[in-house]
Amino acid sequence: GAGVSQSPSNKVTEKGKDVELRCDPISGHTALYWYRQSLGQGLEFLIYFQGNSAPDKSGLPSDRFSAERTGGSVSTLTIQRTQQEDSAVYLCASSLLVFNEQFFGPGTRLTVL
Amino acid sequence: KQEVTQIPAALSVPEGENLVLNCSFTDSAIYNLQWFRQDPGKGLTSLLLIQSSQREQTSGRLNASLDKSSGRSTLYIAASQPGDSATYLCAVWRTYKYIFGTGTRLKVLA
Repeated sequence: GAGVSQSPSNKVTEKGKDVELRCDPISGHTALYWYRQSLGQGLEFLIYFQGNSAPDKSGLPSDRFSAERTGGSVSTLTIQRTQQEDSAVYLCASSLLVFNEQFFGPGTRLTVL
Repeated sequence: KQEVTQIPAALSVPEGENLVLNCSFTDSAIYNLQWFRQDPGKGLTSLLLIQSSQREQTSGRLNASLDKSSGRSTLYIAASQPGDSATYLCAVWRTYKYIFGTGTRLKVLA
């Protein structure tokens, strides 16, 4: 596609449920990044992929968070047993190579009730 | 621990003014620095990327400089326009992660 796409655009879930967020990077981009932005807070880096592998997962907030990327393209961010503090906008970005300019998707707004 | 600070936190200027946004970081061992803008309720748009070996980058009315030794970057906006109103963020790439600054909220008055 022309840009980075994310789905769903909005997700409302109940506390304790699992959610999956999807990111489709720009075709040909080898690097993919996940961030989150809580209300009134700055941007928090979560994880990045170079190809299908994530060199460092220490940015994930807790072990309830996991991410994978398959086929060097689509990535999913999974949050298990969601908590109210997980409510945020989750942003995905991709770049041609790891240290190149990043292009962001529109984000997924997650609300945990 | 890398910390990224942006000054001022908010800025309001009349249209046509030239302005400078500042970004400072505590650890000079960075791979690159990127400037973004974020419009309310929307995602981020990349403005300029400066690799660690570079001193500045220019795009249209925007010029960004990088001084690694002093831990500073500036974003210069020439002849500001109301359409420049947004939050401007700088981010540094340090091993395995991007660390974002606190942002400068810019409002250009017509």
